Amino acid sequence: AQTVTQSQPEMSVQEAETVTLSCTYDTSESDYYLFWYKQPPSRQMILVIRQEAYKQQNATENRFSVNFQKAAKSFSLKISDSQLGDAAMYFCAYRSGIGGSNFGNEKLTFGTGTRLTIIP
Amino acid sequence: EPEVTQTPSHQVTQMGQEVILRCVPISNHLYFYWYRQILGQKVEFLVSFYNNEISEKSEIFDDQFSVERPDGSNFTLKIRSTKLEDSAMYFCASKGGAGRNQPQHFGDGTRLSIL
Repeated sequence: AQTVTQSQPEMSVQEAETVTLSCTYDTSESDYYLFWYKQPPSRQMILVIRQEAYKQQNATENRFSVNFQKAAKSFSLKISDSQLGDAAMYFCAYRSGIGGSNFGNEKLTFGTGTRLTIIP
Repeated sequence: EPEVTQTPSHQVTQMGQEVILRCVPISNHLYFYWYRQILGQKVEFLVSFYNNEISEKSEIFDDQFSVERPDGSNFTLKIRSTKLEDSAMYFCASKGGAGRNQPQHFGDGTRLSIL
């Protein structure tokens, strides 16, 4: 079974600075997807960024980027120019790439989350 | 942008009672999920649903749980006889297709409190 570990329960960063959230995972699969979701106090889980394991290039979405190290099974999220609206719980998630009979319907396995506080 | 909507936002129920949590997935989505998050813990997979049947379920999803897509728009989670440990936030999610990079879109969640 796959596991996802987020070793930082809480992080804080000064507004406009850069912060990196850590995520490691364990899997025997070679084909999979990794996601970062954001959960603000409003509770909705919002997709921030995703990475396909077969792609060596790190995904980037505006101020958000990842450092994907497949051999080390590491998937960290970097937030540049932090803004007050970035304050939230951030969850790292893993999804199998091949589902067999579940093709297309693979579940997400989440880490325990990192609460990010932005200091004005 | 289309959203997954969940009702109610907060449900309070006496232990032993039945509860139904409702979700309206994004209209052209085909894959549906329920997850739960006990306070302070991580989000856990409960069940996935496609083509009017369960695709996969976790060990949490025992005989007390059931899902249904009764009318082509709603996707419900029923807990037949609630226990105190069912208190959690329940998230519904949907996905558009089997495409390799299709993400799951989540609703706001329903907070279930069992008394």
